[in-house]
Amino acid sequence: SAVISQKPSRDICQRGTSLTIQCQVDSQVTMMFWYRQQPGQSLTLIATANQGSEATYESGFVIDKFPISRPNLTFSTLTVSNMSPEDSSIYLCSVERSGGVDGYTFGSGTRLTVV
Amino acid sequence: SQKIEQNSEALNIQEGKTATLTCNYTNYSPAYLQWYRQDPGRGPVFLLLIRENEKEKRKERLKVTFDTTLKQSLFHITASQPADSATYLCALVRAGKSTFGDGTTLTVKP
Repeated sequence: SAVISQKPSRDICQRGTSLTIQCQVDSQVTMMFWYRQQPGQSLTLIATANQGSEATYESGFVIDKFPISRPNLTFSTLTVSNMSPEDSSIYLCSVERSGGVDGYTFGSGTRLTVV
Repeated sequence: SQKIEQNSEALNIQEGKTATLTCNYTNYSPAYLQWYRQDPGRGPVFLLLIRENEKEKRKERLKVTFDTTLKQSLFHITASQPADSATYLCALVRAGKSTFGDGTTLTVKP
């Protein structure tokens, strides 16, 4: 299955600034998924990123706050914009294994702390 | 709205015993259900997938059952080891979208 390199692994940011998280996959994939995992909670899907089209955002998440790029089939970025302490969370990217019928592979996550 | 509940936030068992974790769901008809393991500071790692028309799936010491009438999946780890200590997440998948439970943290004591 695919291997995902995600960076940075962690960061501490000032409120009002933005952070861009990168995910690199070692094989071409159609869809990449971005999740947020708040402390002690489970994963919440932010958006699905397809190459060559606008990302599809889930309810409660908007492009202005979480712009996503997907320039090719192996790479995507998620930006957390105008950050506030409420954005402190772990952000993860993932891709489907075996065309989606065998679970998902996740990056190691980015632990973001906003101060 | 869709809701997924995993039994108790934490489960403590003795090494060698069978751990049983529960995933219940409401207002949902998943095409399939997945179980993941998540260690602190890491992303989830896929363990097993079971489809709606399957009753049971096994992989080494792991067993998953899926009862669509009860809207419940059970995840068993037999002959548990301290290395099995982690948080286990269930995820329901329908129309290409996954919805995750909050997870159960398993601690296996030597």
